[in-house]
Amino acid sequence: GQQLNQSPQSMFIQEGEDVSMNCTSSSIFNTWLWYKQDPGEGPVLLIALYKAGELTSNGRLTAQFGITRKDSFLNISASIPSDVGIYFCAGHLWGNDMRFGAGTRLTVKP
Amino acid sequence: GAVVSQHPSWVICKSGTSVKIECRSLDFQATTMFWYRQFPKQSLMLMATSNEGSKATYEQGVEKDKFLINHASLTLSTLTVTSAHPEDSSFYICSARRTSGAAREQFFGPGTRLTVL
Repeated sequence: GQQLNQSPQSMFIQEGEDVSMNCTSSSIFNTWLWYKQDPGEGPVLLIALYKAGELTSNGRLTAQFGITRKDSFLNISASIPSDVGIYFCAGHLWGNDMRFGAGTRLTVKP
Repeated sequence: GAVVSQHPSWVICKSGTSVKIECRSLDFQATTMFWYRQFPKQSLMLMATSNEGSKATYEQGVEKDKFLINHASLTLSTLTVTSAHPEDSSFYICSARRTSGAAREQFFGPGTRLTVL
């Protein structure tokens, strides 16, 4: 089952606003990944984080691997309508084990 | 790079029939592939881990005789839903892991929507 707590569950924002979502866990992870899923599609990898404290950007997206290795956040700056979708965090433990958060459903109003 | 394809993208079948879904890594080799199912408005639930050349590892509660997984090559894994029933209707997504040094990135296919009548 899922061991990641992702919040918020959903967000309704105005175009141009910044967005922040995060994932926490009671377990330490070796890797954190953030995905975006559009309706009827598979998740697309946005950012992968490999070291505690690592801060990585991908265009308007920024994600950080928490120092304790038990959390990660994703920020989206200056949101646009095409940012709409479901964002999932995923944490990799060891071997083949990767766990997913429940997702954050983002709605952007033009 | 790192493209994963799935076929078919959607399938409708009658109850009691079997359905095969293919997952291919198009531009990298994947010794490990994963099969997930996703119900509407829910997260992905791992069903099984597929390792090339060996038996798949199934998550608790997933019937291995119902969901047959074959990973015959480094670029292809198949999931066969045997004797499908309406409750098997779901969105099935595969992913493939690309391992390079310390990096462990999982790339997902576009998903297969299965509807069992």
